Amino acid sequence: DTAVSQTPKYLVTQMGNDKSIKCEQNLGHDTMYWYKQDSKKFLKIMFSYNNKELIINETVPNRFSPKSPDKAHLNLHINSLELGDSAVYFCASSPWTGLSGNTIYFGEGSWLTVV
Amino acid sequence: SQQGEEDPQALSIQEGENATMNCSYKTSINNLQWYRQNSGRGLVHLILIRSNEREKHSGRLRVTLDTSKKSSSLLITASRAADTASYFCATDRGGADGLTFGKGTHLIIQP
Repeated sequence: DTAVSQTPKYLVTQMGNDKSIKCEQNLGHDTMYWYKQDSKKFLKIMFSYNNKELIINETVPNRFSPKSPDKAHLNLHINSLELGDSAVYFCASSPWTGLSGNTIYFGEGSWLTVV
Repeated sequence: SQQGEEDPQALSIQEGENATMNCSYKTSINNLQWYRQNSGRGLVHLILIRSNEREKHSGRLRVTLDTSKKSSSLLITASRAADTASYFCATDRGGADGLTFGKGTHLIIQP
């Protein structure tokens, strides 16, 4: 009965590879996010989707491409992985966007290590 | 740009003592939230305080907000070993910006 689930939890891959992280939420939320947490624990938003439409697209390399097949899923695909992509990637969801008072529900994170 | 900055970066106290963490931010906000992150886990929402509120309580948590100083504090009373975690403040400016998180305070409760 996990609210926001993401897979895989751990991913070790070589530079240049392409990988995907999948995310699903069963909370019925309209908005989903991808956040990146670096080694210093700084958490930065990457993307936000509302009802399958892209709302926020922060300055991230275009090697990162989110895909939302429906409002319960937001997957993250990364092409040509680089060492600097090593981080923890968090999927999250919230009931709505555009209004104040959003509470964000996070997944458990996906630990990506590029070697 | 980074919005919230927590202070201190790390805090170690004895079990039973109170823990206070501070957060400063730069722009106007609609609300400010605090989240906890246990080691190796995702963030969990603790409490939300709106810009027109000055203080809010939830169990052992007390949050204050001073919009004139653009700062907030989180007080955890009667700390327990299970409170050991990183604590993040997050600001919400409304609109489509989502939440902007600070770097967090790592709290260690010594048994």
